[in-house]
Amino acid sequence: DADVTQTPRNRITKTGKRIMLECSQTKGHDRMYWYRQDPGLGLRLIYYSFDVKDINKGEISDGYSVSRQAQAKFSLSLESAIPNQTALYFCATSEKFTAYNEQFFGPGTRLTVL
Amino acid sequence: QQQVKQSPQSLIVQKGGISIINCAYENTAFDYFPWYQQFPGKGPALLIAIRPDVSEKKEGRFTISFNKSAKQFSLHIMDSQPGDSATYFCATRHFSGYSTLTFGKGTMLLVSP
Repeated sequence: DADVTQTPRNRITKTGKRIMLECSQTKGHDRMYWYRQDPGLGLRLIYYSFDVKDINKGEISDGYSVSRQAQAKFSLSLESAIPNQTALYFCATSEKFTAYNEQFFGPGTRLTVL
Repeated sequence: QQQVKQSPQSLIVQKGGISIINCAYENTAFDYFPWYQQFPGKGPALLIAIRPDVSEKKEGRFTISFNKSAKQFSLHIMDSQPGDSATYFCATRHFSGYSTLTFGKGTMLLVSP
């Protein structure tokens, strides 16, 4: 079984709809992250959480919100989706104390906003 | 503000050749320089990483070369194979306690048979 899972894997929605992307992990890691990937723009950090009570904005948080329901669950919401939020979204996790901060990525969610 | 510049955007190498991907950074407070590899349909995965106190790190066919004075680091893939075809991201990490990664824009590598 995958250590980091994301649901749904694909989603097509319409402008203005509320969307939630979910991430679960069985790695026991404290730190979780949400990224979006766009062609030619690489991976950009949306939000990150270093524990259940610690939520931080990343580089491109406008238009997004997150919820850390438990150590293992971190959800990303688009309150009112717009077409330029069409992208590939990745959740990632990492250990709290590590010299190398290796991040473990989920398989991604491909979101299309029409 | 782009903190790490990656080049080239895409690269085609013949099987058996050497693939070279370069990254440049500006902030001297970075303390960790990883490379991630992403296959189509998958999430990125850590390939190899280096700290700034060494100039080179080798793991199999993959080598990171680090030039602290020039603020550049590069990934070399020796004897490139079709199975190495993927997107490669360099990244940097600030030494502060909140250690998030900043990724480059990625390089799509195609190794032709």
